[in-house]
Amino acid sequence: DGGITQSPKYLFRKEGQNVTLSCEQNLNHDAMYWYRQDPGQGLRLIYYSQIVNDFQKGDIAEGYSVSREKKESFPLTVTSAQKNPTAFYLCATRSTGLSGANVLTFGAGSRLTVL
Amino acid sequence: GQQLNQSPQSMFIQEGEDVSMNCTSSSIFNTWLWYKQDPGEGPVLLIALYKAGELTSNGRLTAQFGITRKDSFLNISASIPSDVGIYFCAGLINFGNEKLTFGTGTRLTIIP
Repeated sequence: DGGITQSPKYLFRKEGQNVTLSCEQNLNHDAMYWYRQDPGQGLRLIYYSQIVNDFQKGDIAEGYSVSREKKESFPLTVTSAQKNPTAFYLCATRSTGLSGANVLTFGAGSRLTVL
Repeated sequence: GQQLNQSPQSMFIQEGEDVSMNCTSSSIFNTWLWYKQDPGEGPVLLIALYKAGELTSNGRLTAQFGITRKDSFLNISASIPSDVGIYFCAGLINFGNEKLTFGTGTRLTIIP
């Protein structure tokens, strides 16, 4: 986990409900990311944030929302508009310093199942 | 979004065998990263490559940044049971670009 805490680890949701996944980091990294992982596929970027109070859509942002009110926190809300939300969600951070530049550090993930 | 072509998709090997996997892209990358993911966990960085032609080792793992900047490979020597997992490559086109592109992964299984 390396200083990134994702919660909950497992989450079950009924169709039509919104759910928020937490991501907290104590690495003092500026950039934070949310990825979705489906079986047999690579990681797909949902949203990312380079600085507090700013974030950008990734490749599959529809049906998701985020906020970045604090440097340490980047919660992801999976809304009822997301057609197929069952997946493994990964939060990551990136240092913008020269050391280890461009390397993402990942949390342990949250598995969301829609019943 | 773009994804890298990673092969093979899966490998079944016996303990002690060497493993080789690679990633190719139609785009030039300036950074290549290799990650390993255990079941139900997040990916962990294995090796980072920043220069074309660079060959870097991390224990039994060796990775190379292709000279054309469009490919990279990862070798694992003398595989052991804890090598089981999914290996991902990831590439970055430009420094300062915030978005890594990930391969689809290679699932490694070790046959007893």
